[in-house]
Amino acid sequence: EDQVTQSPEALRLQEGESSSLNCSYTVSGLRGLFWYRQDPGKGPEFLFTLYSAGEEKEKERLKATLTKKESFLHITAPKPEDSATYLCAVQGPRGASKIIFGSGTRLSIRP
Amino acid sequence: DVKVTQSSRYLVKRTGEKVFLECVQDMDHENMFWYRQDPGLGLRLIYFSYDVKMKEKGDIPEGYSVSREKKERFSLILESASTNQTSMYLCAAEDGSSYEQYFGPGTRLTVT
Repeated sequence: EDQVTQSPEALRLQEGESSSLNCSYTVSGLRGLFWYRQDPGKGPEFLFTLYSAGEEKEKERLKATLTKKESFLHITAPKPEDSATYLCAVQGPRGASKIIFGSGTRLSIRP
Repeated sequence: DVKVTQSSRYLVKRTGEKVFLECVQDMDHENMFWYRQDPGLGLRLIYFSYDVKMKEKGDIPEGYSVSREKKERFSLILESASTNQTSMYLCAAEDGSSYEQYFGPGTRLTVT
């Protein structure tokens, strides 16, 4: 069965303390892996798409990487405004009907 | 950037009422989606549409229907609202070449 598991469920960091969020997946024929950021009471905001193992993407303090079994979202020297829930999603070969979201990691950055 | 708007941010309805949630996108994307998001359950796909008047059931379609009469507009209908449909409802439009989904701000629906 296709699955997406994110860990940890919650992460509290001090401002400037770098860390990584994990997204493990099992899907036959990955078409794409997506990272989103969601602030409380709002819709998810698109961050990155990764299509194949070895691919990396960066945006400000965030860097996403992909292997054949998992993806990492690395956060370098985070600031309080990086506090949010980060969602991972995968899409398999059946296209739109096979998008599966993880339950997210709640990240909190203390000043 | 794709902009997706939803008709209401907050909505309170009574059990048994018919509820319409509307979603509009300002780009020419063919695929549109309705999800609900609940604590501990994540985002779950209710219905999606890949063209005007075309629709497919997602993982949890029971109790819901949808309408897509125009490309830019995708409506979610609760024929007879029940308390277990209290949730955050999110609409998304998908770029068909990159498969990236762009979400609206969400509608927090409370059924009493």
